[in-house]
Amino acid sequence: DIVLTQSPALAVSLGQRATISCRASQSVSTSSYNLMHWYQQKPGEQPKLLIYDASNLASGIPVRFSGSGSGTDFTLTINPVQADDIATYYCQQSRELPLTFGSGTKLEIK
Amino acid sequence: EVQLVESGGGLVQPGRSLKLSCAASGFTFSNYGMAWVCQAPTKGLEWVASISTGGGNTYYRDSVKGRFTISRDNAKNTLYLQMDSLRSEDTATYYCARHNNFGVMDAWGQGASVTVSS
Repeated sequence: DIVLTQSPALAVSLGQRATISCRASQSVSTSSYNLMHWYQQKPGEQPKLLIYDASNLASGIPVRFSGSGSGTDFTLTINPVQADDIATYYCQQSRELPLTFGSGTKLEIK
Repeated sequence: EVQLVESGGGLVQPGRSLKLSCAASGFTFSNYGMAWVCQAPTKGLEWVASISTGGGNTYYRDSVKGRFTISRDNAKNTLYLQMDSLRSEDTATYYCARHNNFGVMDAWGQGASVTVSS
């Protein structure tokens, strides 16, 4: 199974940039696609897709969310951070089955 | 508006069965693969199973193979998860999700809670 490693928590001041990382135990990229996706989950709510294929913004997601990376190293950036962004962020790979998620990074406000 | 509404969760004894349903609306259900994802209390997300558009192809994580069955009824716009031989470690909220490209889950239901306990 592909293991995705995320830092447990990140504290950022409002209006600043948040950078959340995800490292895969093996490459999740093909010759055409980077098969890493990002989700936001607020307390008591279902997850929401933010970014797919590493850098594509999902429908209705604000442009202050962006994604980058390839191979084994990926980043979700939120700039600027707003109070509404308090949530846990998960990366997920679809390079191979089983589909796997990172353990999540909880975004906190300083 | 895309809507996915799960039902059928509850408290069940170890070794017993439970069947979850997910009613889909707001999109052409038969055009999309579907998935179940679970989340144990205070834990992260874990993919459980996926099914192709017509239902002919199904995929499972190892820990549920032979115990859980994913299926769909495109005429009723409904996804199912039959859960047999339930174990305490199956206790979780189960989310129904729509696959956009295979593997990407672009819409999620609100979840159904399953508690396996004697």
